[in-house]
Amino acid sequence: DAGITQSPRHKVTETGTPVTLRCHQTENHRYMYWYRQDPGHGLRLIHYSYGVKDTDKGEVSDGYSVSRSKTEDFLLTLESATSSQTSVYFCAISEARGNEKLFFGSGTQLSVL
Amino acid sequence: SQQGEEDPQALSIQEGENATMNCSYKTSINNLQWYRQNSGRGLVHLILIRSNEREKHSGRLRVTLDTSKKSSSLLITASRAADTASYFCATKEAAGNKLTFGGGTRVLVKP
Repeated sequence: DAGITQSPRHKVTETGTPVTLRCHQTENHRYMYWYRQDPGHGLRLIHYSYGVKDTDKGEVSDGYSVSRSKTEDFLLTLESATSSQTSVYFCAISEARGNEKLFFGSGTQLSVL
Repeated sequence: SQQGEEDPQALSIQEGENATMNCSYKTSINNLQWYRQNSGRGLVHLILIRSNEREKHSGRLRVTLDTSKKSSSLLITASRAADTASYFCATKEAAGNKLTFGGGTRVLVKP
């Protein structure tokens, strides 16, 4: 999957606990994105980054924070997980600003009980 | 509702047949992209068509874009069992940098 590694691949956690998902890329692409995929909703953008320490909110950012301290790593944190955050989370990268072509990781299946 | 919506939601065909799926959107776009997702995997970019283009080909894929109707179609010719997947359209709005995905079409190609 284009040099993108997401970890963990699967996680089960309890409501109220903090969770951090990691995305690591070896492509040196500037832009990185976190999406969530839910039945009936397609993919929805949570947060994105256009460089080290430069991040911005997507359409469903409430309850999520991100950090990017290095070009290759983009972390997604659920400060206090809720059952509504049960989803499949995908990291994506792109080389150009214009969202011309995204490369996706294999996803993280998160279950919040 | 979503910017891009695919139709049909699901499609079942025999190997060798053609598969056609459609995507409709609401606002003016800069480009429209199609992605494929195999079960349990991430999305893979298939093809991008810009707002000033009407048709594009890539191997067995043919994409059309009708900006007057705000719609696009993806045709897979001579389908194979390996084409079984979900297909998503994504639209990049003309204003801003937002890329919005539709809900997808699930395609089953029976051998």
